[in-house]
Amino acid sequence: EAGVAQSPRYKIIEKRQSVAFWCNPISGHATLYWYQQILGQGPKLLIQFQNNGVVDDSQLPKDRFSAERLKGVDSTLKIQPAKLEDSAVYLCASGGRNFPYEQYFGPGTRLTVT
Amino acid sequence: AQSVTQLDSHVSVSEGTPVLLRCNYSSSYSPSLFWYVQHPNKGLQLLLKYTSAATLVKGINGFEAEFKKSETSFHLTKPSAHMSDAAEYFCVVSAPFGVDSNYQLIWGAGTKLIIKP
Repeated sequence: EAGVAQSPRYKIIEKRQSVAFWCNPISGHATLYWYQQILGQGPKLLIQFQNNGVVDDSQLPKDRFSAERLKGVDSTLKIQPAKLEDSAVYLCASGGRNFPYEQYFGPGTRLTVT
Repeated sequence: AQSVTQLDSHVSVSEGTPVLLRCNYSSSYSPSLFWYVQHPNKGLQLLLKYTSAATLVKGINGFEAEFKKSETSFHLTKPSAHMSDAAEYFCVVSAPFGVDSNYQLIWGAGTKLIIKP
């Protein structure tokens, strides 16, 4: 079974530039999550999709971050404009809708904002 | 409300000695609990999961965890540490969110496991 795919793996941009990350979840997983992980910390949930609808985006900085999941499969996360504090690893995860609701993670995208 | 507390931010053991990473949880109902591992510059990997089928759960790479309801604990153990076990370990509980049977993961702060040669 193929895992969660993410691209790019690494990205370096200057502040105020824009960037986009892509995620392809495990086939059949209805739920998709984007997390931000700052060095030395645990993952922070940014947004949760159920199929192509948003379940929770309460921690997404909506003035600069946006995400979409068209057709309930792939998803993109965009930052525009980026700030220095956005430097982090962005993790995508997917999960099924059955107990115990575990999530499976992609390798992440390491973003450096200079 | 659900929460997770990892009692140690760092644990250092010698190679070949036992590993114990401690986790306490708070849940208003029978929880789903997980341990995830993150090796340096790698993604998060599911190590094991508790689903109430058995209190002693075996995971990958020789790790296991025991669910103790009376102590609200889910400690992770391994009989003999290996250098490749050096990583960050997260204890996680699954919690319902909103309506329509949606769930989210509540994360502990993580424990960094250091293996001494």
